[in-house]
Amino acid sequence: SQQGEEDPQALSIQEGENATMNCSYKTSINNLQWYRQNSGRGLVHLILIRSNEREKHSGRLRVTLDTSKKSSSLLITASRAADTASYFCATDWGAQKLVFGQGTRLTINP
Amino acid sequence: GAVVSQHPSWVICKSGTSVKIECRSLDFQATTMFWYRQFPKQSLMLMATSNEGSKATYEQGVEKDKFLINHASLTLSTLTVTSAHPEDSSFYICSATQGLAGLQYFGPGTRLTVT
Repeated sequence: SQQGEEDPQALSIQEGENATMNCSYKTSINNLQWYRQNSGRGLVHLILIRSNEREKHSGRLRVTLDTSKKSSSLLITASRAADTASYFCATDWGAQKLVFGQGTRLTINP
Repeated sequence: GAVVSQHPSWVICKSGTSVKIECRSLDFQATTMFWYRQFPKQSLMLMATSNEGSKATYEQGVEKDKFLINHASLTLSTLTVTSAHPEDSSFYICSATQGLAGLQYFGPGTRLTVT
């Protein structure tokens, strides 16, 4: 399977804490993207990082990419209850097709 | 901008019947649309890629005669699940992109339940 792996599969933390999710992939990529999915809903695009970038920030989100290890991490700082969702990484290698990781289910406890 | 809609948002059908799901790009012309399937607590799996005016390209293991895809215009693609069975029950999500290097914009998904 081309799908990458994400860990942890599930993460439960207290509101205000930071949440870190990791994604590993198998092939060379052009871009890696992170998406959020609330239960039963569509995907919300969070951030895109290109293969020649190492780190990117967007608000409370910080994404790193290590192409030598074929891995990426998503850090959400100062978590809020509204951050409760599933988070997926997705990679593409120029053919437009996205390959999604297995996802991390994040629960923020008030 | 870049809004994608799906209709219906949920549908229940009887085994053996067919059901059509629409995916529309509301404020842009989508050169390519993608159809994904997502089982509960699992990731999205790409089913097929469709370009306007041409036949869809199906991923390995996806039956093209069962999942009919039509991309008749730059703003509409349809997925028809033919002779549906309970194992086809799933969450179907479409996405649309404007060009070769464009981001994929995702629809809200359609929950299909086959009884």
